[in-house]
Amino acid sequence: EPEVTQTPSHQVTQMGQEVILRCVPISNHLYFYWYRQILGQKVEFLVSFYNNEISEKSEIFDDQFSVERPDGSNFTLKIRSTKLEDSAMYFCASILGTGSYNSPLHFGNGTRLTVT
Amino acid sequence: GNSVTQMEGPVTLSEEAFLTINCTYTATGYPSLFWYVQYPGEGLQLLLKATKADDKGSNKGFEATYRKETTSFHLEKGSVQVSDSAVYFCALTRPTSGTYKYIFGTGTRLKVLA
Repeated sequence: EPEVTQTPSHQVTQMGQEVILRCVPISNHLYFYWYRQILGQKVEFLVSFYNNEISEKSEIFDDQFSVERPDGSNFTLKIRSTKLEDSAMYFCASILGTGSYNSPLHFGNGTRLTVT
Repeated sequence: GNSVTQMEGPVTLSEEAFLTINCTYTATGYPSLFWYVQYPGEGLQLLLKATKADDKGSNKGFEATYRKETTSFHLEKGSVQVSDSAVYFCALTRPTSGTYKYIFGTGTRLKVLA
């Protein structure tokens, strides 16, 4: 079964550094998402992306965050200048999205970001 | 706005006990409802879904019924196993301004003891 893949599985960075988290969504999916989860608890929506642009973003997704789909297969989340509170598990997800909103989200296994 | 409320965890049960994890939602219109499960060190996996009132989603012995009158989607299993230990998330989605927005509850940790 096709799956969403994320790399790296664990990223350690120093405060103030830029990080790029990478995702390869399922190939025929049209909508892409980033979520984050702090300390294994609430899953928080960051951003959704469709047709090469952001379709919605949360208040968490401030100017330090950006997303890109550079080559038609990868979907990246960049954090420009990391803060300690950015430490979390970041999940990429995608859905097929054609015509029906009851399509389930398909999640990757996540990237654990640790900011020191 | 749309929201999902789950019962606080952790829930600790003995093997073969009956499980209920409560979930209620607030949404305009007719959302689709989901339960996702997260095993340690993994991403979220779809467990079951229901797309309209009175639908029952089921998978791996788990069931949940979409109750519009009580705006609920409680997860149940008749006999839990140690391997069911995980965090369970209730979620809803409905189209919003041309996109699909998924909203998750806070998660309920289940621990099953042998």
